[in-house]
Amino acid sequence: ETGVTQSPTHLIKTRGQQVTLRCSSQSGHNTVSWYQQALGQGPQFIFQYYREEENGRGNFPPRFSGLQFPNYSSELNVNALELDDSALYLCASSYRTGGSFFRTQYFGPGTRLLVL
Amino acid sequence: KQEVTQIPAALSVPEGENLVLNCSFTDSAIYNLQWFRQDPGKGLTSLLLIQSSQREQTSGRLNASLDKSSGRSTLYIAASQPGDSATYLCAAPIPNDYKLSFGAGTTVTVRA
Repeated sequence: ETGVTQSPTHLIKTRGQQVTLRCSSQSGHNTVSWYQQALGQGPQFIFQYYREEENGRGNFPPRFSGLQFPNYSSELNVNALELDDSALYLCASSYRTGGSFFRTQYFGPGTRLLVL
Repeated sequence: KQEVTQIPAALSVPEGENLVLNCSFTDSAIYNLQWFRQDPGKGLTSLLLIQSSQREQTSGRLNASLDKSSGRSTLYIAASQPGDSATYLCAAPIPNDYKLSFGAGTTVTVRA
C-alpha cells in the first residue's frame, strides 16, 4: 500500500506567477483535501475533492483552485501569487462512502512554496 | 465554526519527564479528535484518534483522553525521549464539516 505523495517538494516563485502542486492519494482512497500551513501555525483548510467535485471550501480566494482526476489524484493551482502564499501545502487523502461519516485523513509530506 | 486552541505553545523538558499537552475545542459535537505529530518542515503523522464515544486511547507511551463536555483533550507522553521533540497538533472535526480544524500546535523539546 502506497502512502500519500506530493510533488514537487520545494518550489520558488515570484509574485504574480502561477503554480501547480500535485498530490497522489493513498491506494483505495477517493477523497483529497488540501491545507495551507504558514510558519508557526496550524494547517488551514483550503478545499476538499470527492468524486472529482469540490466538496467544501475554506476561507480562500478564487485564485486557489483545484482538480481531482479519475484516479483520485489531485492538483492545487494558485494564480497571481502573493508573498503571503508562502507556506507548506499539505494534501490529505481519505475514503468516503458518501453521507457525512468522517474518516481518518492521511497526510503527504507537503510542498514548501516560497514566493519572492 | 470549530475553534481549536493548544496550550502551551512550547514546552521544554529533560529526558525522562512525562509530557502533558492540552487541546481545547469550542464545539463539543465532534466526530472524533485526532492527535498528530509534525517534524520540522514535514507532513503530519497521525498518532491517535479518539472516537467521540470514547474517553481515551492508548498507543505505547502515548495516551490521549477526551472530555467532550468540557471541550478538552489531553495527550500524555510517558518517559519522554529526545526523539519525541516535534510539534504536536490536535484536530477536531464536526458533523457536516469535512475539514479538520487544527490548533496551532505545541512545540516540544526534550533535552538529553
